[in-house]
Amino acid sequence: DGGITQSPKYLFRKEGQNVTLSCEQNLNHDAMYWYRQDPGQGLRLIYYSQIVNDFQKGDIAEGYSVSREKKESFPLTVTSAQKNPTAFYLCASSIGSGSFYGYTFGSGTRLTVV
Amino acid sequence: GENVEQHPSTLSVQEGDSAVIKCTYSDSASNYFPWYKQELGKRPQLIIDIRSNVGEKKDQRIAVTLNKTAKHFSLHITETQPEDSAVYFCAASPGGSYIPTFGRGTSLIVHP
Repeated sequence: DGGITQSPKYLFRKEGQNVTLSCEQNLNHDAMYWYRQDPGQGLRLIYYSQIVNDFQKGDIAEGYSVSREKKESFPLTVTSAQKNPTAFYLCASSIGSGSFYGYTFGSGTRLTVV
Repeated sequence: GENVEQHPSTLSVQEGDSAVIKCTYSDSASNYFPWYKQELGKRPQLIIDIRSNVGEKKDQRIAVTLNKTAKHFSLHITETQPEDSAVYFCAASPGGSYIPTFGRGTSLIVHP
């Protein structure tokens, strides 16, 4: 599915619960990213990772955590500290350091707090 | 950091008309400017990009122009079709870190 797979497509979270969104790519891309998309807000960067075992906070990292133990995988955990987690979450990857050639996006996970 | 402003937020055109979406950026070090198209319920997809060493790039009905002096770039779609209806995002890469900053998006509606 375009080389980058996000799961699940829909996710429901109860108040106070942590949930983890999966992102896997088979493009051999070095860099991976998580974005949050809200209506009228565009794409806001949560975390990114340019190499394995290293990641950096983006503009809205509070209440989120990530890991990058494998090149192919970059899971995002939405913790109970994130007070307004209902949104559409997009994972992306790119070739990596050096010249930038644009993103390949996953198909997204829609997270709803119930 | 980089700041990208995108206008208009909504654009409605008749089929066959042209559509223009404009973005401005703040960081003069930005050197890569991609455009993404996101159809309803789908992932954003890169449709065209331009680097700072060129002023214009075309791909069939779409073109992007860049004015580095004024720090703005635009997406031009000619002979619009209903399937062009989508949200379009511009972005500017702030150099160095190569992490692009996105505009807020333009919802393009093409009426048959």
